[in-house]
Amino acid sequence: NAGVMQNPRHLVRRRGQEARLRCSPMKGHSHVYWYRQLPEEGLKFMVYLQKENIIDESGMPKERFSAEFPKEGPSILRIQQVVRGDSAAYFCASSLNGGTGELFFGEGSRLTVL
Amino acid sequence: QQQVKQSPQSLIVQKGGIPIINCAYENTAFDYFPWYQQFPGKGPALLIAIRPDVSEKKEGRFTISFNKSAKQFSLHIMDSQPGDSATYFCAASTLSNTDKLIFGTGTRLQVFP
Repeated sequence: NAGVMQNPRHLVRRRGQEARLRCSPMKGHSHVYWYRQLPEEGLKFMVYLQKENIIDESGMPKERFSAEFPKEGPSILRIQQVVRGDSAAYFCASSLNGGTGELFFGEGSRLTVL
Repeated sequence: QQQVKQSPQSLIVQKGGIPIINCAYENTAFDYFPWYQQFPGKGPALLIAIRPDVSEKKEGRFTISFNKSAKQFSLHIMDSQPGDSATYFCAASTLSNTDKLIFGTGTRLQVFP
C-alpha cells in the first residue's frame, strides 16, 4: 500500500514562472492537506481539500496560490509568478476521514526560486 | 490563539539521556495533541498522541505528559539512542470533523553515542 506520493521532489523555477506540485493521497483517503515548511521553521497549514471541494483555505496566501483536488487524479498546488520567498518545502498529507487524528505525510516537494 | 509554542529549538544529549521537549497552547478548544518525528529529507510521521482526558501516555520509550490546567504538554524520550536524532514537532487540533493540525516550530534533537 503506497504512501502519500508527491512529485516532483525537487523543483527549480526562476522568478515569475509557475510551479505545480502534485500529491496523490494514500489509497482510499479522500482528505488532503497542504503544508509549507520554510527553512528552520515548523509546518504552516495552507489548505484542506476533499474531492472537488476546498474545505479550508485559511492558510493560503490571497494571491498567486491555488489548490485543487479533482474527482480524478492528484491534488495540485499551483503557485503563479513565483518569488524568492516561495522557496520552501511543500508537504502534502492525507487522512481517511476527517477527525481520525492522524495525517500521513508525503516526503515533500522542495521548491527553489532563483 | 491558534499558536502552539515549542521549546527548546535544539537539544543535544548523550545516548541514554532523557530529552524533554515542551509545548504550550492557548486555544482551549484543542482536544488532540500529537507529536511528529521528521528525519532530514523526509516527511513528518506520527510518533505518539494524547487527548486531554488523560495526563500521561506511554508508547515504548516515548511518553507524553499533559497538563490541562496549564495548557502544556511535553514529550520525554527514555534511554535515547542515536537513531532518535531527528526534528520533533508538537501539534494541536480540534478533531471534530477535520485533521487540520497546528504545528509548533520544531526541536532538533541530536543524540551522541
